[in-house]
Amino acid sequence: GEDVEQSLFLSVREGDSSVINCTYTDSSSTYLYWYKQEPGAGLQLLTYIFSNMDMKQDQRLTVLLNKKDKHLSLRIADTQTGDSAIYFCAESHPTGTASKLTFGTGTRLQVTL
Amino acid sequence: GAVVSQHPSRVICKSGTSVKIECRSLDFQATTMFWYRQFPKQSLMLMATSNEGSKATYEQGVEKDKFLINHASLTLSTLTVTSAHPEDSSFYICSASDRGDEQYFGPGTRLTVT
Repeated sequence: GEDVEQSLFLSVREGDSSVINCTYTDSSSTYLYWYKQEPGAGLQLLTYIFSNMDMKQDQRLTVLLNKKDKHLSLRIADTQTGDSAIYFCAESHPTGTASKLTFGTGTRLQVTL
Repeated sequence: GAVVSQHPSRVICKSGTSVKIECRSLDFQATTMFWYRQFPKQSLMLMATSNEGSKATYEQGVEKDKFLINHASLTLSTLTVTSAHPEDSSFYICSASDRGDEQYFGPGTRLTVT
């Protein structure tokens, strides 16, 4: 079955690094994604990683994937107040013409001054 | 590029009435559209997947007669909540895909049923 878990809440100080963790159970995932959701808004794709990679860096964002342990993390360097939001990881599974996403439970990131 | 819009952004309806939510891909052709619902402080749950010109595939536990999905063109899908009840109040989000792995998300529609 598909089950994606995240811790519910993370609080960091502005300027520090944030690390948001995600565990999943389906080893057949093709891509793993990180999305950001601000209050009352839709989802913004932050970054993604192909399942045969173990790391991807994109400016302040670093994604680490441990496929053996089915563990994904998102590190945000130099966290800013504008990074306060809910972060969802998601895994994708091919289904015909498009891939289906299973979302994690979401982590609320609070950035304090 | 890859912009998806939803209309309306907010809607309030009375119990027992039906409400239609539109999802449009503005600058690409969406062969597949997905509909999600999100309860407060919870994750997105996939309701159904629709491919242009064919019937939608509903996830287990989602009533297809209550949540009518139409994907009549490559840029438009609609979700109609029929005979809405207060427990249908939720945030409904659509996404669109153009054959790739990536889904482009709309801004969501907040439905409140009174």
